[in-house]
Amino acid sequence: DSGVTQTPKHLITATGQRVTLRCSPRSGDLSVYWYQQSLDQGLQFLIQYYNGEERAKGNILERFSAQQFPDLHSELNLSSLELGDSALYFCASSVFTGLDTEAFFGQGTRLTVV
Amino acid sequence: GENVEQHPSTLSVQEGDSAVIKCTYSDSASNYFPWYKQELGKRPQLIIDIRSNVGEKKDQRIAVTLNKTAKHFSLHITETQPEDSAVYFCAASAGSGAGSYQLTFGKGTKLSVIP
Repeated sequence: DSGVTQTPKHLITATGQRVTLRCSPRSGDLSVYWYQQSLDQGLQFLIQYYNGEERAKGNILERFSAQQFPDLHSELNLSSLELGDSALYFCASSVFTGLDTEAFFGQGTRLTVV
Repeated sequence: GENVEQHPSTLSVQEGDSAVIKCTYSDSASNYFPWYKQELGKRPQLIIDIRSNVGEKKDQRIAVTLNKTAKHFSLHITETQPEDSAVYFCAASAGSGAGSYQLTFGKGTKLSVIP
């Protein structure tokens, strides 16, 4: 168990809908990352938050948004869903100490858009 | 931004043989290079990492080498076992301030160890 909790584990929804994925980082970790993993694709970085603030943005669509709350949990909002958004979405967290940057991954949320 | 290339995309080896996976990165400021293993349907897990002030690191059957001049790093697995079968991802990270960094991953290598 990595200590990173993602809910729900599975999500099936229709095209055009909106969903929210939730991530609780490891205790003490201030950084939260979101990644998308499609079939036969690698891990695509979406966005990073550090202590409530957006720190880095990757290949995140405008239909997607995220935030990190004061208690450090994070939510990834996906709207106007398309079939191509079906993927495994991972959250990872880390504590930045200048040298220690290991990221711990949650179990992922498998999103299926039908 | 950082770009990480990983080769090969698939690799099959006989049990007991060695496996080598290679990655190149583009950002010379990158200073942390982890390797993750992802078994089917599971989350990626860190197996070994190396920092830019070190050229090589070993942990039992796994070793990683880093060539900063050439901007490439490699994962070496010796005496492979069936349980080594998984997808392996390399990554590179550059820190530019508290919390201001990200891990950029390669596309992964699917390793199959044939008994």
